[in-house]
Amino acid sequence: AQTVTQSQPEMSVQEAETVTLSCTYDTSESDYYLFWYKQPPSRQMILVIRQEAYKQQNATENRFSVNFQKAAKSFSLKISDSQLGDAAMYFCAPTQGGSEKLVFGKGTKLTVNP
Amino acid sequence: NAGVTQTPKFQVLKTGQSMTLQCAQDMNHEYMSWYRQDPGMGLRLIHYSVGAGITDQGEVPNGYNVSRSTTEDFPLRLLSAAPSQTSVYFCASRRDRGSNQPQHFGDGTRLSIL
Repeated sequence: AQTVTQSQPEMSVQEAETVTLSCTYDTSESDYYLFWYKQPPSRQMILVIRQEAYKQQNATENRFSVNFQKAAKSFSLKISDSQLGDAAMYFCAPTQGGSEKLVFGKGTKLTVNP
Repeated sequence: NAGVTQTPKFQVLKTGQSMTLQCAQDMNHEYMSWYRQDPGMGLRLIHYSVGAGITDQGEVPNGYNVSRSTTEDFPLRLLSAAPSQTSVYFCASRRDRGSNQPQHFGDGTRLSIL
C-alpha cells in the first residue's frame, strides 16, 4: 500500500511569516495527482491546492504554493504571509490505484502566533 | 448549494448495535466515498462508489457495508458496532472519475461505540 509521510507533526509560524510543510510519498505510478487539504478546528476538510504529476510547473494559489519534486517524491506546501486563519491541520494526499483513490498523510498541525 | 450533507453529526452506540450513517450530495457527482479519521492516523478510505450501482472496497472496509442505489445518496452501514469503530466519519464526493477533480467533504459524523 502506498504510504504518505508528513514528518512534522506540529509546526508554528509567526503571523506574516512564511512556513513550509513537508510531504513525501511512495508510488510506482507515473501519472497521479497530489492535493493539500486543510482541516480547521471546525473539522471541515478544505482543498488548499492541487498538482498534476505530469506538470513540471509548481502550482500556486494566492499565498499557497507547492514545491513538487517528482523524482524525489516530495510535495511540500509553502504558506506565505501567514494569517491567523491559516491555523489548522494540513493533510497531504496523493492519488493511488489508477488515480481512483486518495491516500492521506497523518497531518501537520500548524499554529500561527500573533 | 448544500454540497455534501451527512447525518447525524453525533451518535453514541452500544457494542453490537447497528446503524446507518447517511450521506447525500446535490452536485450530481458520480464519485462518492467514505473515510474514517482516527487521532494521529489521518483519513483512511473505507468504501467508494464510481456511480449508481457500483461500489468497491477501500483500505479499511471490514465491518462496514455500502450501497449506491441513486446518484445522490451513499449510506454507510455498521452491521454490529465495535469499540474499534469509534471514529469521525467523512463522506466525500467528486464530479467524476477524473482524479484531478477535488473531493468535496461533508462536515463529518462523530461516532462513539461504548
